[in-house]
Amino acid sequence: EPEVTQTPSHQVTQMGQEVILRCVPISNHLYFYWYRQILGQKVEFLVSFYNNEISEKSEIFDDQFSVERPDGSNFTLKIRSTKLEDSAMYFCASRTSGGSFVSETQYFGPGTRLLVL
Amino acid sequence: AQSVTQLDSHVSVSEGTPVLLRCNYSSSYSPSLFWYVQHPNKGLQLLLKYTSAATLVKGINGFEAEFKKSETSFHLTKPSAHMSDAAEYFCVVSVLRTSYDKVIFGPGTSLSVIP
Repeated sequence: EPEVTQTPSHQVTQMGQEVILRCVPISNHLYFYWYRQILGQKVEFLVSFYNNEISEKSEIFDDQFSVERPDGSNFTLKIRSTKLEDSAMYFCASRTSGGSFVSETQYFGPGTRLLVL
Repeated sequence: AQSVTQLDSHVSVSEGTPVLLRCNYSSSYSPSLFWYVQHPNKGLQLLLKYTSAATLVKGINGFEAEFKKSETSFHLTKPSAHMSDAAEYFCVVSVLRTSYDKVIFGPGTSLSVIP
């Protein structure tokens, strides 16, 4: 069964450094998402992306964050200058398009655990 | 606006007894509703979904949920808990329109299963 993959599974970085989290969505999916989950807290929506542009973003997704689909398969989240509070699990998700409700199901990757020191 | 409430942050049951995880939602539109499960240090796995078809939805691993519009609820149940059910469970509301794509997670319910 096709699945969303994410790399790396864990990343440790120093405060102020840039990080890029990578995701490979399911191949026929057209809508892509990033979420974050701070340890012990709820899953928070960051951004949605469709047709090579951001559809929606939350207040968390400030100028330090950016997303890109550099080629036909990868979907990346960049944090320009990491802060301690960026430490979290970051999940990528994707879904198909189309008029049926089936397309609303988002399929999640296993996550990247980011630790900022 | 959309919101999701999971009334219990933690539920503990004995193995073999029923599980009830409660979820209430509010939405300006007719939403789709999902339950996801997250095992320790793992990703999010879809358990089941409601998308305006049958109100009683069956999912994987013996879980089911009933959509009750009058109560704005989508509670998750399982007749008999198994040790492997111990995990975090998230109720999710999704509203998808032409120019609106919103997914809201509930705060989660941690399920413990006692042998």
